[in-house]
Amino acid sequence: GENVEQHPSTLSVQEGDSAVIKCTYSDSASNYFPWYKQELGKRPQLIIDIRSNVGEKKDQRIAVTLNKTAKHFSLHITETQPEDSAVYFCAAASGGGADGLTFGKGTHLIIQP
Amino acid sequence: DTAVSQTPKYLVTQMGNDKSIKCEQNLGHDTMYWYKQDSKKFLKIMFSYNNKELIINETVPNRFSPKSPDKAHLNLHINSLELGDSAVYFCASSQDPGRVNTEAFFGQGTRLTVV
Repeated sequence: GENVEQHPSTLSVQEGDSAVIKCTYSDSASNYFPWYKQELGKRPQLIIDIRSNVGEKKDQRIAVTLNKTAKHFSLHITETQPEDSAVYFCAAASGGGADGLTFGKGTHLIIQP
Repeated sequence: DTAVSQTPKYLVTQMGNDKSIKCEQNLGHDTMYWYKQDSKKFLKIMFSYNNKELIINETVPNRFSPKSPDKAHLNLHINSLELGDSAVYFCASSQDPGRVNTEAFFGQGTRLTVV
């Protein structure tokens, strides 16, 4: 089955700086890579996703890159703000909903004022 | 107007008891899931279900069983609860037409504490 590794487990950045979170996956059949943000005590919510036919996707301050050959994808947050503080999860999936999402172990992002 | 709702939000129970968590989605999605989030925040798929197939993660004990009375509901039944079952359980749903993944929407979670 799929295995997703995520680094770092904790990331502390100054407000206004950029944050980068990296993930690798093992199953070459995976073709869908979402990123979820989970605030304390809340549900995970999708912030951006990318499919395997695209190398990069951007949505305002958030961007995701995908390298299919190396089997890794990254989340980039620019101009970080206090409300970006949360746990971020990468995930991978293939072939529709049957197998669900395989999540990384999460990155606790701390934005220092 | 909650898209995916689950009840109860908190559940405290004794070892050995049997309990259920209910989940409903009003998004018209075909696929529903149960995920377990442990104390280290690790999210792991337990079940995925649509009207055609149930996929069970092989690591899930058979004390856990999903029950789907209809397309909009996927309840989780747990028998003979153990201390290690304490976790937050999330229900989710997605619409995956033609084997193409789309966004999974999560419920607010049920914090289960077994004492």
